[in-house]
Amino acid sequence: DTAVSQTPKYLVTQMGNDKSIKCEQNLGHDTMYWYKQDSKKFLKIMFSYNNKELIINETVPNRFSPKSPDKAHLNLHINSLELGDSAVYFCASRGLGETQYFGPGTRLLVL
Amino acid sequence: RKEVEQDPGPFNVPEGATVAFNCTYSNSASQSFFWYRQDCRKEPKLLMSVYSSGNEDGRFTAQLNRASQYISLLIRDSKLSDSATYLCAVDLGGATNKLIFGTGTLLAVQP
Repeated sequence: DTAVSQTPKYLVTQMGNDKSIKCEQNLGHDTMYWYKQDSKKFLKIMFSYNNKELIINETVPNRFSPKSPDKAHLNLHINSLELGDSAVYFCASRGLGETQYFGPGTRLLVL
Repeated sequence: RKEVEQDPGPFNVPEGATVAFNCTYSNSASQSFFWYRQDCRKEPKLLMSVYSSGNEDGRFTAQLNRASQYISLLIRDSKLSDSATYLCAVDLGGATNKLIFGTGTLLAVQP
């Protein structure tokens, strides 16, 4: 059973487009995250939601808008995509004091 | 200074060697510590938590030194399958339930 799933796995798009990435977890965790891993492999936190409420926003451009319809889902919408947005985006979830689990990643390439 | 720092490597070692990685953290209030493993083009997966007294899991030993603010990972009898990037992660605790990751250390075990 997949614990944290993301769609799509790959996303190739043109500059200026708007795209969304979806994430779902079936672990019953209260907290979900979005991370960006750039070409240098640095894993940087972008957002965190706890029970559908935003608790961390790491000075990410406001072109990025997370949405949590319920505590099992955290989606990421990106407006006006730029070349520098090309990266791997990982969703993750964590229970309080527990291990953090990552989704398989979405490889975004902006042309 | 970065919150969590690691030597990026690569560490090139022969099969059967013992290899050690260190990771330093800047916030003395950090509560929990972890080692994650990330294979090429995959998501990070928890390798082991790091406890104050040190802990061992088969060929892997993790240590925590709070006074000097570093954690270490020792891998004995390296296998080809150990080749991966090893990421340390530090949890500040509190309401944000947020993990800060190091940049990762690349290990390449040679036949």
